[in-house]
Amino acid sequence: GNSVTQMEGPVTLSEEAFLTINCTYTATGYPSLFWYVQYPGEGLQLLLKATKADDKGSNKGFEATYRKETTSFHLEKGSVQVSDSAVYFCARRGYQKVTFGIGTKLQVIP
Amino acid sequence: DAGVIQSPRHEVTEMGQEVTLRCKPISGHDYLFWYRQTMMRGLELLIYFNNNVPIDDSGMPEDRFSAKMPNASFSTLKIQPSEPRDSAVYFCASAPEPYGYTFGSGTRLTVV
Repeated sequence: GNSVTQMEGPVTLSEEAFLTINCTYTATGYPSLFWYVQYPGEGLQLLLKATKADDKGSNKGFEATYRKETTSFHLEKGSVQVSDSAVYFCARRGYQKVTFGIGTKLQVIP
Repeated sequence: DAGVIQSPRHEVTEMGQEVTLRCKPISGHDYLFWYRQTMMRGLELLIYFNNNVPIDDSGMPEDRFSAKMPNASFSTLKIQPSEPRDSAVYFCASAPEPYGYTFGSGTRLTVV
């Protein structure tokens, strides 16, 4: 079935470090791909998306590139801040619904 | 735009009691989704509606769970009777099409 697999956390980084959170997806069809972010006590928010191969989604300094050849959509940020501490979810669009990964908790320490 | 509104934010109830969670989607959004989030299983889709009609309820755990959407501006998720293993955060999300969700802030349910 349609699924996404993302690296398990937690990920702990120092402020200004480089971030990568890995995500791979099942290659059925040509899905749209997403990253969502969940801050403590809140619901998920759409962070960025990409709808076709080689598209790059970006927002708030985060980027992810839709790689069809490796079925990946890794999230990156060049310099993380304490305020980026949250849980990040990779997701893919299936038929009329979105499938989420298990979430990766990121903790950024000053 | 007030976003997706869920109530209550927190609910503590005793095992065996009926629990009703409420959701008001964003006006004009034709899709409404109910999710459950736990540490063990992450985010699980329970059911979703399109134009007030349930489309896929295969994620509903068992007959104790039911969901309704009587009109475009309101949906409920009911658990009767509740059990401790139902303790989780329940999210409602709406969307104008089947992606690009807007999530509510969730209801944290504790069944003791």
